[in-house]
Amino acid sequence: QKEVEQDPGPLSVPEGAIVSLNCTYSNSAFQYFMWYRQYSRKGPELLMYTYSSGNKEDGRFTAQVDKSSKYISLFIRDSQPSDSATYLCAMEAAGNKLTFGGGTRVLVKP
Amino acid sequence: DADVTQTPRNRITKTGKRIMLECSQTKGHDRMYWYRQDPGLGLRLIYYSFDVKDINKGEISDGYSVSRQAQAKFSLSLESAIPNQTALYFCATSDSGQSSGNTIYFGEGSWLTVV
Repeated sequence: QKEVEQDPGPLSVPEGAIVSLNCTYSNSAFQYFMWYRQYSRKGPELLMYTYSSGNKEDGRFTAQVDKSSKYISLFIRDSQPSDSATYLCAMEAAGNKLTFGGGTRVLVKP
Repeated sequence: DADVTQTPRNRITKTGKRIMLECSQTKGHDRMYWYRQDPGLGLRLIYYSFDVKDINKGEISDGYSVSRQAQAKFSLSLESAIPNQTALYFCATSDSGQSSGNTIYFGEGSWLTVV
């Protein structure tokens, strides 16, 4: 079993819909949780990070962490075609290396 | 200009050849990484370096070697390339002093095809 599980998709939604992405993990030592966005043929770029449990909002993006369930989510409101990309979750135990999920491909149709 | 620059961006090489991928960064970060990305397998860590004198193996280091020539430069070598090393390779950096966990910043990637 992988340490971080993420559905590969693709997830196809109409423009304006809410995109819901999630990852599950098995390592209870993870404390930092991040979401990266990767456009085709580009490097991943950091979208959001969260420390420990709770919610964090940044514009149209909301990240949630539920450490008791070992489950993290990313929501994208009012999705745009420019949100079409692969979204990767990543996690870190303090002072350690990041562990990435496999990524979910998202397609927002006009 | 990109903060993390990889060269070459694309390379086709033959089986058995030696190939080097180079990475330089202007972010002033002390930590550097090499990742490999394959469809369905996500990002896998090959090697990482927490400072100039520090080199560590990642989860898939076999068949690869690295050199940290300076704080800003970290190169990846395939001593004898084989077809299953065909992949997209990313260099990345992070700052040990940041408070937001080990946030990693990626380069644009190097497409390597071994034929």
